[in-house]
Amino acid sequence: EPEVTQTPSHQVTQMGQEVILRCVPISNHLYFYWYRQILGQKVEFLVSFYNNEISEKSEIFDDQFSVERPDGSNFTLKIRSTKLEDSAMYFCASSEEAYGYTFGSGTRLTVV
Amino acid sequence: QKEVEQDPGPLSVPEGAIVSLNCTYSNSAFQYFMWYRQYSRKGPELLMYTYSSGNKEDGRFTAQVDKSSKYISLFIRDSQPSDSATYLCAMRENNNDMRFGAGTRLTVKP
Repeated sequence: EPEVTQTPSHQVTQMGQEVILRCVPISNHLYFYWYRQILGQKVEFLVSFYNNEISEKSEIFDDQFSVERPDGSNFTLKIRSTKLEDSAMYFCASSEEAYGYTFGSGTRLTVV
Repeated sequence: QKEVEQDPGPLSVPEGAIVSLNCTYSNSAFQYFMWYRQYSRKGPELLMYTYSSGNKEDGRFTAQVDKSSKYISLFIRDSQPSDSATYLCAMRENNNDMRFGAGTRLTVKP
């Protein structure tokens, strides 16, 4: 069964450092998303990406965040200068249509 | 008022019980309704989706949507210990981002 792959599974970084979280969506999917889940809290939308551009973003997705689809298969989330409160599980998802997202297993980001 | 409300539980039931999970919402523009299951330290896994109002059944799972009441439900029949997980409702307008409930943690005891 096709799956969304995320790497690394766990990333520890120092506050102020840049991190890049990587995702390989399902190959025939057209819509891509990043979500995050702070420990014990709900899954929160960050950004959606379609046709090589951001289609929607939340208030969480400020200037410190950016997304890129550099080579037609990878989909990356960059956090430019990490803060302690960025510590969370980050989930990539992709979908063929408006419903039925497939999520990756997530990257646990720990900012120290 | 939060856009999607879901009782976080925890909910504990004996094996074989019928489980009822619910969410309410405030945005009448939501059209797609999903239920996800999330095991610890894993990504959400799609269980059911429904477009607009109505019922949908898949094996032991039944999803119901009542748009007039802004209320959705997931029923699990003959619950198994392997059903122990966090269940998240999610919903969206046509092409907008998906809004999740807080998730209900379910434990099915053997």
